[in-house]
Amino acid sequence: DGGITQSPKYLFRKEGQNVTLSCEQNLNHDAMYWYRQDPGQGLRLIYYSQIVNDFQKGDIAEGYSVSREKKESFPLTVTSAQKNPTAFYLCASSADRRSTDTQYFGPGTRLTVL
Amino acid sequence: AQSVTQLDSHVSVSEGTPVLLRCNYSSSYSPSLFWYVQHPNKGLQLLLKYTSAATLVKGINGFEAEFKKSETSFHLTKPSAHMSDAAEYFCVVSYFTGGGNKLTFGTGTQLKVEL
Repeated sequence: DGGITQSPKYLFRKEGQNVTLSCEQNLNHDAMYWYRQDPGQGLRLIYYSQIVNDFQKGDIAEGYSVSREKKESFPLTVTSAQKNPTAFYLCASSADRRSTDTQYFGPGTRLTVL
Repeated sequence: AQSVTQLDSHVSVSEGTPVLLRCNYSSSYSPSLFWYVQHPNKGLQLLLKYTSAATLVKGINGFEAEFKKSETSFHLTKPSAHMSDAAEYFCVVSYFTGGGNKLTFGTGTQLKVEL
């Protein structure tokens, strides 16, 4: 099956620890995205990548880092600098950069800081 | 600048009655507009999208939306609600920046379907 996988589904972290969320896609999409979702709010863009070895900050990049070493993978690291990391994190991908292009979403990772 | 306003945070309907979820947008360009649905603790699933072709867009599961430029609206409708439609719905506007395709999300409408 083609699609986007995110792991783990649930993640618990102690304060002060870095944690990495996995996102993999087998859709052969060029573009990948990370979003954060908080209750009662829409999704907010953290980082995005249009091609391998290139990525840009989104609207709320502080306290996060990413890499794009392979086309199919776009891991997100939540660092200890992120003040309020407890949230639902969603990864998405699209075939290219056009505004008409659909973004397809993974199932999400729920991160809780203890 | 692009923005999206979902006019109702919660909508409750009876099974078998029509559904109307309202969305207004603001865009400096000809927008691409989407509706996504999210079931609890799941990712988002595309319902339908408008990309400057036909103004009445049909999507999955019997949903449709009409793009009205004069009203800057993109309301989502379904003639007859089903229990499985209970979920959160997001209206989204897409725009292209120098760095690529970016989405602006509404804050969501929670749809409740009662027997």
